Amino acid sequence: QVTLRESGPALVKPTQTLTLTCTFSGFSLTTSGMCVSWVRQPPGKALEWLAFINWDDDKYYSTSLKTRLTISKDTSKNQVVLTMTNMDPVDTATYYCARTYSNVAGGAFDMWGQGTMITVSS
Amino acid sequence: DIQMTQSPSSLSASVGDRVTITCRASQDISRWLAWYQQKPEKGPKSLIYAASSLHGGVPSRFSGSGSGTDFTLTISSLQPEDFATYYCQQYNSFPFSFGGGTKVEMK
Repeated sequence: QVTLRESGPALVKPTQTLTLTCTFSGFSLTTSGMCVSWVRQPPGKALEWLAFINWDDDKYYSTSLKTRLTISKDTSKNQVVLTMTNMDPVDTATYYCARTYSNVAGGAFDMWGQGTMITVSS
Repeated sequence: DIQMTQSPSSLSASVGDRVTITCRASQDISRWLAWYQQKPEKGPKSLIYAASSLHGGVPSRFSGSGSGTDFTLTISSLQPEDFATYYCQQYNSFPFSFGGGTKVEMK
């Protein structure tokens, strides 16, 4: 059974760096075709894709946020970490991690975490 | 970057209705399009990939079609559990991108 769970601080101050962790089970990021992305959703707004990492350590980022984002993986812990620098109140959102198994569904996400709400406020 | 435009942004329908949502890409994405369903206060659920392939466990009343720049999601007979917001997403090229969403509400 594939599961993903996001974790991070519920509240961060403006200008701080946010570190989010996606802990997953039921698959390995050492398996060819496995990938994990981060997606966020401000309250009442649409989904926004942020970053991607795959089994081969290829990484891709949102054009508008790439200077602030870093994605990495720890295969021994089954975790993917996203850091976002210089947080602003507009970054207040629910942050999701999602899996892609490209051998089956191409680049589409097939499993999602339940999300973690991050509020940016002083 | 590829822009995804969904229409309508919301619609009202009744149980049993046939519902169609459209998604347009700003450039050719072949069939690299997915659809997701999201209910209030819940994470998204994956419905369709490669424009028309259903993920396991998704009811057959959901179907997808299209290629290139124009795509549709159809619910053949709307059920009470289908009232939700639906998003399309392109994964033809990075950066991936989502449509703005279509909220399906009860008439």
